[in-house]
Amino acid sequence: ETGVTQSPTHLIKTRGQQVTLRCSSQSGHNTVSWYQQALGQGPQFIFQYYREEENGRGNFPPRFSGLQFPNYSSELNVNALELDDSALYLCASRHQAGGGSDTQYFGPGTRLTVL
Amino acid sequence: QKEVEQNSGPLSVPEGAIASLNCTYSDRGSQSFFWYRQYSGKSPELIMFIYSNGDKEDGRFTAQLNKASQYVSLLIRDSQPSDSATYLCAVNTNAGKSTFGDGTTLTVKP
Repeated sequence: ETGVTQSPTHLIKTRGQQVTLRCSSQSGHNTVSWYQQALGQGPQFIFQYYREEENGRGNFPPRFSGLQFPNYSSELNVNALELDDSALYLCASRHQAGGGSDTQYFGPGTRLTVL
Repeated sequence: QKEVEQNSGPLSVPEGAIASLNCTYSDRGSQSFFWYRQYSGKSPELIMFIYSNGDKEDGRFTAQLNKASQYVSLLIRDSQPSDSATYLCAVNTNAGKSTFGDGTTLTVKP
């Protein structure tokens, strides 16, 4: 157990809809990252939040957005869902003390299927 | 060229053998390196991290890093069927962004 939880576990949506995925980080972890993992691929970095501000983003369009809250929870929002958005969405939290060497802990993931 | 490259496998070894997993990366500014194990349908689980050139051992696992060659590897000694999984290599920059390879699938046969 990593102490990181995600909800829901599974989700089915139709193309064009919007979805919100949730993550609860370990207490004290000030940084949360979100990843998209398509079948047979490694996780792809979507974005990272540090102290409630986005401070890094991968090659994902603006319809992928997020929020981080003071209570160590965060959200990933995806608008105008496309079929290719079907994937496992992972959040990972860590305490950023400086540099990039801090270990991150993954939640169990949310499996999103877009029909 | 992908930023982090791994042989996709599958890699098959007999029980008790040494499994060797390899990873190369392109960003010379990379600072830290991680190996994760991922079982089918589950999230990645951290096995080891390494920051400095050389070897780092933890139980049956040894991570090796060569920054000059931009190469990192994971050795699993006395492989067990429970080690059968996909192994992901991840590389962190100073900004904390993690870039993952697509993983190597390992099968340990009893």
